[in-house]
Amino acid sequence: ETGVTQTPRHLVMGMTNKKSLKCEQHLGHNAMYWYKQSAKKPLELMFVYSLEERVENNSVPSRFSPECPNSSHLFLHLHTLQPEDSALYLCASSQEPAVGPQHFGDGTRLSIL
Amino acid sequence: DQQVKQNSPSLSVQEGRISILNCDYTNSMFDYFLWYKKYPAEGPTFLISISSIKDKNEDGRFTVFLNKSAKHLSLHIVPSQPGDSAVYFCAASRGYNQGGKLIFGQGTELSVKP
Repeated sequence: ETGVTQTPRHLVMGMTNKKSLKCEQHLGHNAMYWYKQSAKKPLELMFVYSLEERVENNSVPSRFSPECPNSSHLFLHLHTLQPEDSALYLCASSQEPAVGPQHFGDGTRLSIL
Repeated sequence: DQQVKQNSPSLSVQEGRISILNCDYTNSMFDYFLWYKKYPAEGPTFLISISSIKDKNEDGRFTVFLNKSAKHLSLHIVPSQPGDSAVYFCAASRGYNQGGKLIFGQGTELSVKP
């Protein structure tokens, strides 16, 4: 496999559920990112990790909890989400934080009931 | 306050003609700009970038122009092909090489008609 892979592609969950989004990159990059894209809005940066350390937390509510166990994997743990959290969640990676273009996965379409 | 704006939500162009996608920004400290292309149900794909020390960068059918005094960026696609039909996002960063984050526009949907 090449590139950035995200699973699941679609997720429907209730507000009281706990779920996790997974991202895996096969590019040998050291930086990984989570973005949120709501309808008719620009992509919003949520988190940045560099060599498994979080280097940016863009004022994201604590109901979103990222985890980066190694430079190839990134998770976004979700709990007690709100309907306004329904969006497309995109993972990206780059060679280093802010070095070279970011390569994106195909995203997880999340719907909160 | 949106720092990167793509004021045209959509653009329709005939195959073989030129497509011009525009992007305006407000922060004069931005020094690195990128264009991404996104097909439905796929993630954005990097197309082309330009740093503020240049005013033009070309890659095949794609050329990006930067007008720093006007704080304006444009992407030219010549000739346009039906496969270019997608949503195009511009993005900008300040101090990208020092960890500056990317700020994205809201996108322009390009439709190239055969």
